[in-house]
Amino acid sequence: AQSVTQLGSHVSVSEGALVLLRCNYSSSVPPYLFWYVQYPNQGLQLLLKYTTGATLVKGINGFEAEFKKSETSFHLTKPSAHMSDAAEYFCAVIHSGGYQKVTFGTGTKLQVIP
Amino acid sequence: DADVTQTPRNRITKTGKRIMLECSQTKGHDRMYWYRQDPGLGLRLIYYSFDVKDINKGEISDGYSVSRQAQAKFSLSLESAIPNQTALYFCATSERGTVNTGELFFGEGSRLTVL
Repeated sequence: AQSVTQLGSHVSVSEGALVLLRCNYSSSVPPYLFWYVQYPNQGLQLLLKYTTGATLVKGINGFEAEFKKSETSFHLTKPSAHMSDAAEYFCAVIHSGGYQKVTFGTGTKLQVIP
Repeated sequence: DADVTQTPRNRITKTGKRIMLECSQTKGHDRMYWYRQDPGLGLRLIYYSFDVKDINKGEISDGYSVSRQAQAKFSLSLESAIPNQTALYFCATSERGTVNTGELFFGEGSRLTVL
């Protein structure tokens, strides 16, 4: 079975500070990993994805994430938070081995303090 | 216009009523999904359809049914709504293939309240 765990349901940062949202995955086969963002009153949209190759992946709006197999992690970072980054962020995993359904984490709400 | 459109966006109903949530897409994707979002629980898969003739239960299908009327349309029904079905419901689509399946395109959601 596959799963993801997001540490911290709420994270607060000051505007301009580093954003770090944590995601750990469990998968018996090489995973494909995703981060989604949900702005208020909207559906989710894809921020970035890891499939194969380079372990540091860049996404939209200045976000990036690093796949660390040894730590089974896929943490999301952004060097400098903007007010517009306030949203809920979801980590998601899908097996590369054919179990073709996505499993989402429980989400982390990011608050950006002026 | 949105690529994935859900109707209604908001609905308040009473226990025991039949409710249908509709989803249509213009992305040309074969795969469609219904998810439920509850605070603190993330998104949970209710039903999914990989093509018009293929419908599968997700992790929380009890109390729900679906119909794939066409490639572009996928509706979710609650035959007899109950209060714990109060939630935000999302329709999503994806292309074929494992990586593509992970790249979901979501509608804006349908907020359902069952009194």
